[in-house]
Amino acid sequence: GQQVMQIPQYQHVQEGEDFTTYCNSSTTLSNIQWYKQRPGGHPVFLIQLVKSGEVKKQKRLTFQFGEAKKNSSLHITATQTTDVGTYFCAGPDNYGQNFVFGPGTRLSVLP
Amino acid sequence: DAGITQSPRHKVTETGTPVTLRCHQTENHRYMYWYRQDPGHGLRLIHYSYGVKDTDKGEVSDGYSVSRSKTEDFLLTLESATSSQTSVYFCAISEPDRQGFGYTFGSGTRLTVV
Repeated sequence: GQQVMQIPQYQHVQEGEDFTTYCNSSTTLSNIQWYKQRPGGHPVFLIQLVKSGEVKKQKRLTFQFGEAKKNSSLHITATQTTDVGTYFCAGPDNYGQNFVFGPGTRLSVLP
Repeated sequence: DAGITQSPRHKVTETGTPVTLRCHQTENHRYMYWYRQDPGHGLRLIHYSYGVKDTDKGEVSDGYSVSRSKTEDFLLTLESATSSQTSVYFCAISEPDRQGFGYTFGSGTRLTVV
């Protein structure tokens, strides 16, 4: 079935450094979503990408959808301690009805 | 968050007992979901509902049942709890037909089966 993979599993950065997490799908995706989950919290929807090669920005966060629509990335510029958490990508399942989540990338930011 | 609440927030139960978790929404969304979250596995879909009395299985449905008798309530039942069902359970709502509308998750229920 549909598989969504993410790397790295963990990332430790010094505050002010940049951070990137990568999401890869075994199949072409019609769209991809990104979520953030703070420690002890619940996942919160960040953004949806739909178009091939699409790039969207939210302040220090840059989201990209690959040309082949099989991969995506989330880049954070100049990380802050408020960026700490786990970032998940999610793509539609084979039936296009529900979303399959990647295992997430846990980001730690050292002050 | 968007009018979705889960209860209880925490529960400890014994192996073999039935357990019901409740998800309540106040915004009349058609789609509701139950996910479980375990380290290294991300979020895995247990069951979902696309309307009153309309439900379907997800990836990890064995040992779970659901019911949706009203739009606002989606119940998840562990028929006979096992230690492997110790997890954090999240309910979510969505509008899949609306582009840019992601899942809104509840605060979660931490279930421990001893």
